[in-house]
Amino acid sequence: AQSVTQPDIHITVSEGASLELRCNYSYGATPYLFWYVQSPGQGLQLLLKYFSGDTLVQGIKGFEAEFKRSQSSFNLRKPSVHWSDAAEYFCAVGALRAGSYQLTFGKGTKLSVIP
Amino acid sequence: DTEVTQTPKHLVMGMTNKKSLKCEQHMGHRAMYWYKQKAKKPPELMFVYSYEKLSINESVPSRFSPECPNSSLLNLHLHALQPEDSALYLCASSQGRGIRHGYTFGSGTRLTVV
Repeated sequence: AQSVTQPDIHITVSEGASLELRCNYSYGATPYLFWYVQSPGQGLQLLLKYFSGDTLVQGIKGFEAEFKRSQSSFNLRKPSVHWSDAAEYFCAVGALRAGSYQLTFGKGTKLSVIP
Repeated sequence: DTEVTQTPKHLVMGMTNKKSLKCEQHMGHRAMYWYKQKAKKPPELMFVYSYEKLSINESVPSRFSPECPNSSLLNLHLHALQPEDSALYLCASSQGRGIRHGYTFGSGTRLTVV
């Protein structure tokens, strides 16, 4: 069965600093990988996704992620964090089940930004 | 229209009440989902509808009853809920059975059971 591990529960960075959020996945086939962001009390917004091809994918809001098959990782990065990036970030893997793809989420990483 | 709209945004209900959550999308997506999210937890899948048919029920108690009247609309009927059912209920949709574009999520209904 597929699974996602986000090792960091909470990360605090200073505004303007770089950011890396870690994600490790477990899935037997080629993974479909996603990063979502959730502001308090809100739904989830898709930041970026990976299916195949270039292992460095660009997303919205200046985020990027790199797929490393050898490490089963899909880490999210941003070169310079803004205060508005403070939110919960979820990594997810898409897996085929009962004829349709479903998302399985990691437990999330809460990002706090110090002004 | 690239949104999933959920109503109401907030709902407070007693344990003997019957209420319904509504989810609507006009993106032509043929798969729709209900997720439950407790505070500080990731979303947990409840139901999957694919082409208006229920394809997955994640052993959800019968006090939650989903309905998909047409390809644009998904309801979640609630009856005799417990306080532990208080959570953010998220609806999502995707193109058919595929996942290349990920899911589009609504902003959720914050449910409080008293």
